[in-house]
Amino acid sequence: NAGVTQTPKFRILKIGQSMTLQCTQDMNHNYMYWYRQDPGMGLKLIYYSVGAGITDKGEVPNGYNVSRSTTEDFPLRLELAAPSQTSVYFCASSYSTPGSQPQHFGDGTRLSIL
Amino acid sequence: QKEVEQDPGPLSVPEGAIVSLNCTYSNSAFQYFMWYRQYSRKGPELLMYTYSSGNKEDGRFTAQVDKSSKYISLFIRDSQPSDSATYLCAMSAISNTGKLIFGQGTTLQVKP
Repeated sequence: NAGVTQTPKFRILKIGQSMTLQCTQDMNHNYMYWYRQDPGMGLKLIYYSVGAGITDKGEVPNGYNVSRSTTEDFPLRLELAAPSQTSVYFCASSYSTPGSQPQHFGDGTRLSIL
Repeated sequence: QKEVEQDPGPLSVPEGAIVSLNCTYSNSAFQYFMWYRQYSRKGPELLMYTYSSGNKEDGRFTAQVDKSSKYISLFIRDSQPSDSATYLCAMSAISNTGKLIFGQGTTLQVKP
């Protein structure tokens, strides 16, 4: 039972490079979320999706893009990486809205932009 | 003013102590209240969930919600070294998007 799988676990990027953070869930969840976690700041929502083909912005979407072509996958794209994007990124999923179902989190991708 | 405020700590207690973790919030539309536990270099995992006001108990853990004061608490009885982690409160309003608002997290260390 894999749950939510994120790859890679660690990555160092140079300023201006691009990359895609991968997220896959095997629980057939409709809702998926991307968060970033900075020290002492809790989790901030970047983008979310309520189903395949439907995505929307969260609290801090600038500098990121997402797509949701399948129920299982929800990749996060960083274009023109900047030092301010150094963070730990978490992907989460839930069967329904978190009020009735919990969000399940992956173990994160630690990203450094130098 | 942040929608959810949580004292980041760190909080250090001896084994066996009762721990109290708290969050305040400003949005009266919040109806769902959760506590997540996050171990070092791991993702958050759901610990407790409460709908609207009231108390909920699960083993050594008790969650309380006071909507009139916009205040939620998590109590840990007989704390263990394995409870050492960061505890995040989270809450949401009734909606079709499922967006959660998280507190900053409180880092707890339980010393043997």
